Amino acid sequence: AQKITQTQPGMFVQEKEAVTLDCTYDTSDQSYGLFWYKQPSSGEMIFLIYQGSYDEQNATEGRYSLNFQKARKSANLVISASQLGDSAMYFCAMREDLIQGAQKLVFGQGTRLTINP
Amino acid sequence: EAQVTQNPRYLITVTGKKLTVTCSQNMNHEYMSWYRQDPGLGLRQIYYSMNVEVTDKGDVPEGYKVSRKEKRNFPLILESPSPNQTSLYFCASSLGASVDEQYFGPGTRLTVT
Repeated sequence: AQKITQTQPGMFVQEKEAVTLDCTYDTSDQSYGLFWYKQPSSGEMIFLIYQGSYDEQNATEGRYSLNFQKARKSANLVISASQLGDSAMYFCAMREDLIQGAQKLVFGQGTRLTINP
Repeated sequence: EAQVTQNPRYLITVTGKKLTVTCSQNMNHEYMSWYRQDPGLGLRQIYYSMNVEVTDKGDVPEGYKVSRKEKRNFPLILESPSPNQTSLYFCASSLGASVDEQYFGPGTRLTVT
């Protein structure tokens, strides 16, 4: 079964600095997908970025980029020029195949990011 | 607007009192699932459904029931809630079985005393 590990329970960063949130994964599958979600204090899950295992380039979405190192099994999220609104919980997740073609997301423990003014 | 709705958003109840958390999506998605979120554990899948009348257990199904009588609805039933079911619950849906474009509901914060 897949496993996602986020080793940073909390991070504090000054506004406008870049921040890297760590994520390592464990899988024996050749084809897999990695996701990052943001959860603000209001509680909803907001999809940020996706990286497929066969994607040759690192995914980017605006200020978000995913530093994908396949050999090291890491998929770190990089937020450039952090803003106060980036303060939230961040989850790394991996797609896992189930029986009969179903899939599910396997989530890491989460990292709480706080941006200081 | 494409969305997944959950009701109630907040619920405080007592041990043993049956409750249902509703989930509805307006995107004609076949695949729906329930997750619970607990501190330090992230989100874990409770049950999922690939289509009407097709449901299966996820990683933490104990103490929960689900039904899928209509494509748009996927209620989560707690027959006899216990304090260890205090959690934040999310319903999610996607077209087909892929989770690559999974829509999450707003969450239901449940407290069982």
